[in-house]
Amino acid sequence: AQSVTQLDSHVSVSEGTPVLLRCNYSSSYSPSLFWYVQHPNKGLQLLLKYTSAATLVKGINGFEAEFKKSETSFHLTKPSAHMSDAAEYFCVVSDKSSGGGGADGLTFGKGTHLIIQP
Amino acid sequence: DGGITQSPKYLFRKEGQNVTLSCEQNLNHDAMYWYRQDPGQGLRLIYYSQIVNDFQKGDIAEGYSVSREKKESFPLTVTSAQKNPTAFYLCASRRGGETQYFGPGTRLLVL
Repeated sequence: AQSVTQLDSHVSVSEGTPVLLRCNYSSSYSPSLFWYVQHPNKGLQLLLKYTSAATLVKGINGFEAEFKKSETSFHLTKPSAHMSDAAEYFCVVSDKSSGGGGADGLTFGKGTHLIIQP
Repeated sequence: DGGITQSPKYLFRKEGQNVTLSCEQNLNHDAMYWYRQDPGQGLRLIYYSQIVNDFQKGDIAEGYSVSREKKESFPLTVTSAQKNPTAFYLCASRRGGETQYFGPGTRLLVL
Protein backbone atom coordinates (compact mmCIF):
# COMPACT_ATOMS: atom_id res chain seq x y z
CA ALA A 1 0.00 0.00 0.00
CA GLN A 2 1.12 3.53 -0.63
CA SER A 3 0.84 6.57 1.57
CA VAL A 4 1.95 10.18 1.66
CA THR A 5 2.67 12.35 4.67
CA GLN A 6 2.94 16.09 4.58
CA LEU A 7 4.92 16.86 7.65
CA ASP A 8 3.55 20.35 8.33
CA SER A 9 -0.10 21.35 8.30
CA HIS A 10 0.89 25.04 8.28
CA VAL A 11 4.06 26.85 7.19
CA SER A 12 4.59 30.58 7.64
CA VAL A 13 7.41 32.49 5.93
CA SER A 14 8.18 36.11 5.24
CA GLU A 15 7.92 37.48 1.73
CA GLY A 16 11.27 37.14 -0.07
CA THR A 17 12.52 34.25 2.09
CA PRO A 18 12.83 30.60 1.00
CA VAL A 19 9.92 28.16 1.14
CA LEU A 20 10.21 24.49 2.13
CA LEU A 21 7.17 22.21 2.18
CA ARG A 22 7.98 18.68 3.26
CA CYS A 23 6.53 15.46 1.88
CA ASN A 24 7.41 11.85 2.62
CA TYR A 25 5.90 8.90 0.82
CA SER A 26 5.80 5.15 0.96
CA SER A 27 5.32 2.98 -2.09
CA SER A 28 6.00 -0.60 -3.03
CA TYR A 29 7.22 0.31 -6.49
CA SER A 30 8.71 3.28 -8.29
CA PRO A 31 6.06 5.92 -7.87
CA SER A 32 5.10 9.04 -9.74
CA LEU A 33 4.91 12.08 -7.47
CA PHE A 34 3.10 15.37 -7.89
CA TRP A 35 2.67 18.70 -6.16
CA TYR A 36 -0.58 20.59 -6.64
CA VAL A 37 -1.53 24.06 -5.40
CA GLN A 38 -5.02 25.17 -4.42
CA HIS A 39 -6.02 28.78 -3.87
CA PRO A 40 -9.11 29.43 -1.72
CA ASN A 41 -12.32 28.04 -3.22
CA LYS A 42 -10.52 27.01 -6.39
CA GLY A 43 -9.59 23.73 -8.04
CA LEU A 44 -6.16 22.15 -7.88
CA GLN A 45 -3.43 23.29 -10.26
CA LEU A 46 -0.45 21.12 -11.10
CA LEU A 47 2.85 22.64 -9.97
CA LEU A 48 5.19 19.86 -11.02
CA LYS A 49 5.51 16.10 -11.37
CA TYR A 50 8.20 13.43 -11.08
CA THR A 51 7.93 10.35 -13.30
CA SER A 52 11.33 8.61 -12.99
CA ALA A 53 13.30 10.99 -15.16
CA ALA A 54 15.51 13.69 -13.57
CA THR A 55 15.33 13.68 -9.78
CA LEU A 56 15.25 17.49 -9.59
CA VAL A 57 11.99 18.65 -11.08
CA LYS A 58 11.27 22.25 -11.98
CA GLY A 59 7.71 23.48 -11.96
CA ILE A 60 5.74 26.63 -12.53
CA ASN A 61 6.07 29.88 -10.58
CA GLY A 62 9.68 29.16 -9.54
CA PHE A 63 8.92 26.01 -7.53
CA GLU A 64 11.01 22.88 -7.69
CA ALA A 65 11.15 19.54 -5.91
CA GLU A 66 13.79 16.88 -5.48
CA PHE A 67 13.01 13.17 -5.46
CA LYS A 68 15.20 11.38 -2.90
CA LYS A 69 14.58 7.66 -3.00
CA SER A 70 16.88 6.91 -0.05
CA GLU A 71 14.90 9.30 2.13
CA THR A 72 11.51 8.59 0.48
CA SER A 73 11.02 12.33 0.25
CA PHE A 74 9.76 14.80 -2.33
CA HIS A 75 10.07 18.20 -0.70
CA LEU A 76 8.87 21.34 -2.48
CA THR A 77 11.04 24.46 -2.44
CA LYS A 78 11.12 27.99 -3.76
CA PRO A 79 14.03 30.40 -3.27
CA SER A 80 11.97 33.51 -2.61
CA ALA A 81 8.34 33.57 -1.48
CA HIS A 82 5.80 35.91 -3.02
CA MET A 83 2.50 37.00 -1.52
CA SER A 84 0.68 35.23 -4.36
CA ASP A 85 2.15 31.90 -3.17
CA ALA A 86 -0.19 31.86 -0.18
CA ALA A 87 -2.34 28.77 -0.75
CA GLU A 88 -2.84 25.10 0.16
CA TYR A 89 -0.29 22.65 -1.28
CA PHE A 90 -0.88 18.94 -1.81
CA CYS A 91 1.68 16.22 -2.30
CA VAL A 92 0.32 13.28 -4.30
CA VAL A 93 1.76 9.83 -4.97
CA SER A 94 0.71 7.55 -7.80
CA ASP A 95 1.54 3.89 -7.71
CA LYS A 96 -0.40 2.13 -10.45
CA SER A 97 0.55 -1.25 -9.09
CA SER A 98 -1.37 -0.68 -5.87
CA GLY A 99 -4.35 1.17 -7.24
CA GLY A 100 -4.88 -0.90 -10.33
CA GLY A 101 -5.19 0.71 -13.72
CA GLY A 102 -8.57 2.18 -12.98
CA ALA A 103 -8.23 4.95 -10.43
CA ASP A 104 -4.57 5.76 -11.16
CA GLY A 105 -3.71 4.72 -7.63
CA LEU A 106 -3.54 8.37 -6.55
CA THR A 107 -3.12 9.08 -2.84
CA PHE A 108 -3.31 12.68 -1.64
CA GLY A 109 -1.58 14.15 1.36
CA LYS A 110 -3.68 16.18 3.78
CA GLY A 111 -2.22 19.45 2.59
CA THR A 112 0.09 22.20 3.87
CA HIS A 113 -1.27 25.70 4.27
CA LEU A 114 1.41 28.21 3.24
CA ILE A 115 1.16 31.63 4.85
CA ILE A 116 3.23 34.54 3.56
CA GLN A 117 3.98 37.34 5.98
CA PRO A 118 4.54 40.80 4.47
CA ASP B 1 -10.77 27.71 -24.57
CA GLY B 2 -10.32 24.16 -23.28
CA GLY B 3 -10.90 23.09 -19.72
CA ILE B 4 -13.12 21.59 -17.08
CA THR B 5 -16.20 23.40 -15.84
CA GLN B 6 -18.22 22.68 -12.75
CA SER B 7 -21.57 24.16 -11.88
CA PRO B 8 -22.95 25.59 -9.79
CA LYS B 9 -20.18 27.18 -7.74
CA TYR B 10 -22.35 26.97 -4.61
CA LEU B 11 -25.24 24.57 -4.04
CA PHE B 12 -27.65 24.34 -1.14
CA ARG B 13 -29.41 21.13 -0.21
CA LYS B 14 -32.42 20.64 2.01
CA GLU B 15 -32.81 17.60 4.22
CA GLY B 16 -33.90 14.54 2.24
CA GLN B 17 -33.24 16.16 -1.12
CA ASN B 18 -31.15 14.79 -3.98
CA VAL B 19 -28.91 17.30 -5.75
CA THR B 20 -26.81 16.97 -8.89
CA LEU B 21 -23.43 18.56 -9.50
CA SER B 22 -22.37 19.15 -13.07
CA CYS B 23 -18.92 18.46 -14.55
CA GLU B 24 -18.14 19.09 -18.21
CA GLN B 25 -14.82 18.89 -20.06
CA ASN B 26 -13.88 19.78 -23.64
CA LEU B 27 -10.36 18.35 -23.41
CA ASN B 28 -11.28 15.07 -25.12
CA HIS B 29 -10.17 13.21 -21.99
CA ASP B 30 -11.32 9.63 -21.56
CA ALA B 31 -11.18 9.37 -17.78
CA MET B 32 -13.11 11.50 -15.30
CA TYR B 33 -13.14 11.57 -11.51
CA TRP B 34 -15.09 12.98 -8.57
CA TYR B 35 -13.40 13.85 -5.29
CA ARG B 36 -14.67 15.15 -2.00
CA GLN B 37 -12.56 17.59 0.01
CA ASP B 38 -13.06 18.25 3.72
CA PRO B 39 -10.89 20.60 5.80
CA GLY B 40 -7.65 18.90 6.84
CA GLN B 41 -8.57 15.70 5.01
CA GLY B 42 -7.02 16.05 1.60
CA LEU B 43 -9.04 14.64 -1.32
CA ARG B 44 -11.00 11.41 -1.25
CA LEU B 45 -12.18 9.61 -4.38
CA ILE B 46 -15.94 9.14 -4.77
CA TYR B 47 -16.36 7.68 -8.27
CA TYR B 48 -14.36 7.46 -11.47
CA SER B 49 -15.02 6.59 -15.09
CA GLN B 50 -12.47 5.39 -17.60
CA ILE B 51 -14.84 5.29 -20.57
CA VAL B 52 -18.36 6.23 -21.59
CA ASN B 53 -21.13 4.12 -20.02
CA ASP B 54 -18.76 2.66 -17.45
CA PHE B 55 -17.83 3.85 -13.94
CA GLN B 56 -16.44 2.43 -10.70
CA LYS B 57 -16.79 3.22 -7.02
CA GLY B 58 -13.98 4.97 -5.26
CA ASP B 59 -13.21 5.01 -1.55
CA ILE B 60 -16.33 6.83 -0.35
CA ALA B 61 -19.10 6.07 -2.87
CA GLU B 62 -21.93 5.47 -0.37
CA GLY B 63 -24.67 8.08 -0.72
CA TYR B 64 -23.53 9.18 -4.19
CA SER B 65 -24.37 8.15 -7.75
CA VAL B 66 -22.96 9.06 -11.17
CA SER B 67 -23.61 8.56 -14.87
CA ARG B 68 -21.36 8.75 -17.94
CA GLU B 69 -23.60 8.94 -20.98
CA LYS B 70 -21.29 11.27 -22.86
CA LYS B 71 -17.52 11.56 -22.95
CA GLU B 72 -17.71 15.23 -22.02
CA SER B 73 -20.00 14.93 -19.02
CA PHE B 74 -19.81 13.17 -15.64
CA PRO B 75 -22.55 14.44 -13.29
CA LEU B 76 -22.55 13.52 -9.61
CA THR B 77 -25.77 13.11 -7.62
CA VAL B 78 -25.64 13.50 -3.87
CA THR B 79 -28.55 11.46 -2.59
CA SER B 80 -30.51 11.75 0.64
CA ALA B 81 -28.59 8.70 1.86
CA GLN B 82 -25.48 10.85 2.21
CA LYS B 83 -25.86 12.07 5.77
CA ASN B 84 -22.95 14.48 5.81
CA PRO B 85 -22.83 16.06 2.36
CA THR B 86 -21.34 19.43 3.29
CA ALA B 87 -18.00 19.58 1.49
CA PHE B 88 -16.11 20.94 -1.50
CA TYR B 89 -16.52 18.68 -4.55
CA LEU B 90 -13.86 18.53 -7.24
CA CYS B 91 -14.10 16.97 -10.68
CA ALA B 92 -10.99 15.95 -12.61
CA SER B 93 -10.17 14.42 -15.98
CA ARG B 94 -7.21 12.66 -17.57
CA ARG B 95 -6.15 11.42 -20.98
CA GLY B 96 -4.06 8.26 -21.21
CA GLY B 97 -1.18 8.22 -18.73
CA GLU B 98 -1.09 11.93 -18.21
CA THR B 99 -1.76 13.96 -15.13
CA GLN B 100 -5.23 14.64 -13.77
CA TYR B 101 -6.57 18.15 -14.36
CA PHE B 102 -9.10 19.66 -11.99
CA GLY B 103 -12.18 21.82 -12.31
CA PRO B 104 -12.86 24.85 -10.08
CA GLY B 105 -15.08 22.94 -7.63
CA THR B 106 -18.59 23.12 -6.21
CA ARG B 107 -19.24 23.87 -2.55
CA LEU B 108 -22.28 22.02 -1.22
CA LEU B 109 -24.01 23.32 1.89
CA VAL B 110 -26.95 21.86 3.81
CA LEU B 111 -29.82 24.15 4.84
